[in-house]
Amino acid sequence: GENVEQHPSTLSVQEGDSAVIKCTYSDSASNYFPWYKQELGKRPQLIIDIRSNVGEKKDQRIAVTLNKTAKHFSLHITETQPEDSAVYFCASKTQGGSEKLVFGKGTKLTVNP
Amino acid sequence: DGGITQSPKYLFRKEGQNVTLSCEQNLNHDAMYWYRQDPGQGLRLIYYSQIVNDFQKGDIAEGYSVSREKKESFPLTVTSAQKNPTAFYLCASSGGRGQGTYNEQFFGPGTRLTVL
Repeated sequence: GENVEQHPSTLSVQEGDSAVIKCTYSDSASNYFPWYKQELGKRPQLIIDIRSNVGEKKDQRIAVTLNKTAKHFSLHITETQPEDSAVYFCASKTQGGSEKLVFGKGTKLTVNP
Repeated sequence: DGGITQSPKYLFRKEGQNVTLSCEQNLNHDAMYWYRQDPGQGLRLIYYSQIVNDFQKGDIAEGYSVSREKKESFPLTVTSAQKNPTAFYLCASSGGRGQGTYNEQFFGPGTRLTVL
């Protein structure tokens, strides 16, 4: 079945630096790729998503890039702030298939002031 | 944070007892999901339902059961057959193809189950 690998599992950066989290997926038919942020003790929340007909999407300090040939996508956070500290999950979905999201195992991002 | 609720927030049970976790949504979403979250394991799908009166097994369905008798509700029962039930359980919902929020899954606040 579909598998999503996420790296790194932990990431520590200084405030103001950039952070990059990478995911690879196995099903070439996957066509929807969301990123969720989960703060400690809270529910995951969608922060950005991208569909397979788009190579890059930006929303203020966050951006996601997709390389369909290589089957990987990445989350980029610029000018990191302490409130960016959280666990980030990538996921993939094949629309028209089973309709379920397959999640990576998460990246714990720590932004040091 | 409204729209999808789970209760209770914390739940303690003795080993060998079945326990049912509640999940309710007022978002008029067709699809609902149950995930289990363990440290370092991400979100693993237990069961999902794309429409009332229908549901499918996820990746770790053994020891769990669900029902979907109403669109708003998708309760999860953790049975005594589940060998390691202590975990954080998250419910989610998403819209159907004609509902606008087709792709995004909205999560509930979660239930932390501890089996003693």
